[in-house]
Amino acid sequence: DVKVTQSSRYLVKRTGEKVFLECVQDMDHENMFWYRQDPGLGLRLIYFSYDVKMKEKGDIPEGYSVSREKKERFSLILESASTNQTSMYLCASRRTGFDNSPLHFGNGTRLTVT
Amino acid sequence: TQLLEQSPQFLSIQEGENLTVYCNSSSVFSSLQWYRQEPGEGPVLLVTVVTGGEVKKLKRLTFQFGDARKDSSLHITAAQPGDTGLYLCAGAEITDKLIFGTGTRLQVFP
Repeated sequence: DVKVTQSSRYLVKRTGEKVFLECVQDMDHENMFWYRQDPGLGLRLIYFSYDVKMKEKGDIPEGYSVSREKKERFSLILESASTNQTSMYLCASRRTGFDNSPLHFGNGTRLTVT
Repeated sequence: TQLLEQSPQFLSIQEGENLTVYCNSSSVFSSLQWYRQEPGEGPVLLVTVVTGGEVKKLKRLTFQFGDARKDSSLHITAAQPGDTGLYLCAGAEITDKLIFGTGTRLQVFP
């Protein structure tokens, strides 16, 4: 089974702090994604990556950046955390985008910014 | 950005009842996936539908893709407490990007 591991289950940070969310997958998947999940809004795509050192903006990239230095690891960075970034963050991986491969999700990181 | 609207947003029913969840868009998708998310976990894929009009069954769950590939439905027969969770549809654009629906939270009481 594919495993996607997010380093933290819960995080509490102060406004203005730099925050790192880490995600590791163990199935050599090409694609990796970061979503945020808010009630009534579903999952919104922040950033994604098709390969090492490649990144693409999703629908809500403002205030975030990403890093993919190794194929198995995809990091989400909040340069200066703000209270409106309090949310559930979900990392996902996928083998490829062109054969209806499913997304495999981690269990999420619930971030609270105070 | 395309929007996928799901209805209802919340559903609270007794064990044994039937229910249908709808996923609607004004845009055409190349395929559509349904995921279920249980508390404290990430979403897990239930099914992928690809062809307009396609119907797939997964035990008591029946998934249908609209003829025009703009909408989908999920029907659960004789719901059980184990069906409780957040149901998410996700449409694949021609660029292979997935657009997620707004979600339907189902609670099944024994």
